[in-house]
Amino acid sequence: AQSVTQLDSQVPVFEEAPVELRCNYSSSVSVYLFWYVQYPNQGLQLLLKYLSGSTLVKSINGFEAEFNKSQTSFHLRKPSVHISDTAEYFCAVTQKTSYDKVIFGPGTSLSVIP
Amino acid sequence: DTAVSQTPKYLVTQMGNDKSIKCEQNLGHDTMYWYKQDSKKFLKIMFSYNNKELIINETVPNRFSPKSPDKAHLNLHINSLELGDSAVYFCASSQVSSGGLTQYFGPGTRLLVL
Repeated sequence: AQSVTQLDSQVPVFEEAPVELRCNYSSSVSVYLFWYVQYPNQGLQLLLKYLSGSTLVKSINGFEAEFNKSQTSFHLRKPSVHISDTAEYFCAVTQKTSYDKVIFGPGTSLSVIP
Repeated sequence: DTAVSQTPKYLVTQMGNDKSIKCEQNLGHDTMYWYKQDSKKFLKIMFSYNNKELIINETVPNRFSPKSPDKAHLNLHINSLELGDSAVYFCASSQVSSGGLTQYFGPGTRLLVL
């Protein structure tokens, strides 16, 4: 069985400061990894994903995440956050053998303080 | 030109009532999902349909019955509503057959049972 842990339920950070949102997963088979973002009163949307190849993946709005197989982690980082980054961030995993089922982590609420 | 749409957006009803939520996607995807997001933002998959066939049916009370009249629609009917059913319900879709791993979410239906 798969599981996803996001240790930080809430992360407050000042505008223009760097941020890291942590994600660890557990799975007995190879997985694909995702970060989704949910802005207030909206549905989730994909931020970035790791499928294969380079372990560092980037989004168009400055976020990046690095897949670390030995530590079973997929932490999300941004060097300088904006007010508009305030949202709920979900790490998710799906098995390569049955990728129709995605398991989501409990989410991390990022609050950017002006 | 909304990709995944849900109706209604808000639903307030009394305990014991029966209600339905509708979902439509215009992305041509073959797989659709229903998720429940509780008050703590935890997101859990309920059902998944691939080409109108039920493929994921998590531990959900049988008061919840999904119906997929065609590939583009997945509706959720809930009988005998209970207080604990209050949550945000999200519909999502993906193109699993061609390796499409990204899930596209609707805006959510906010259900409040009084």
